[in-house]
Amino acid sequence: QVQLQESGPGLVKPSETLSLTCTVSGVSVRSYYWSWIRQPPGKGLEWIGYIFYSGSTYYNPSLKSRVTISVDTSKNQFSLRLSSVTAADTAVYYCVGVGAAGNAFDIWGHGTLVTVSS
Amino acid sequence: DIQVTQSPSSLSASVGDRVTITCRASQSISSYLNWYQQKPGKAPKLLIYAASSLQSGVPSRFSGSGSGTDFTLTISSLQPEDFATYYCQHSYSTPYTFGQGTKLEIE
Repeated sequence: QVQLQESGPGLVKPSETLSLTCTVSGVSVRSYYWSWIRQPPGKGLEWIGYIFYSGSTYYNPSLKSRVTISVDTSKNQFSLRLSSVTAADTAVYYCVGVGAAGNAFDIWGHGTLVTVSS
Repeated sequence: DIQVTQSPSSLSASVGDRVTITCRASQSISSYLNWYQQKPGKAPKLLIYAASSLQSGVPSRFSGSGSGTDFTLTISSLQPEDFATYYCQHSYSTPYTFGQGTKLEIE
């Protein structure tokens, strides 16, 4: 059974960098490709970007200048860094896998709330 | 960017009702359209992918149809556990975008 678990600080100060890690279990990170998706409180879903195990990345243009997604195949993890955060970046961040269902997001972590506040 | 617009934004219905939610893309996306269900405090769950393929483990009362720009999600007979928010999402090209959501409430 494939499982994803997000980890990282729940509180980040404005202008600092948000860093989250997703630990993948039950499958190798080499098997699928991996995304980050976020959801501000009470609002809809926003795709942040994705990464292949090779390291190739695609980012949402709205965030591209601030986002880095990386993968560590030795630890079976992938990570998100979002720089220069503001209160608008406060959201639940989900790590997500695209595996066996076409191009759809079929494997989701539980999500982690990151609040940007001083 | 390709935008997807859902309607209605909210819907009241009763157990046993047949419900349809629509999603319209701003340009043709072939069949690259997916549907998710989200309950409060939980991660979204994939229901339908590629417009009409039922994800493994999802009850058969859920179905999807459409291609090009117009798509529908149908729940044939609402069950109590189906009251949730539903999102469509295109996977035709990046950036992938989601609809604004349809909140399905008990009438």
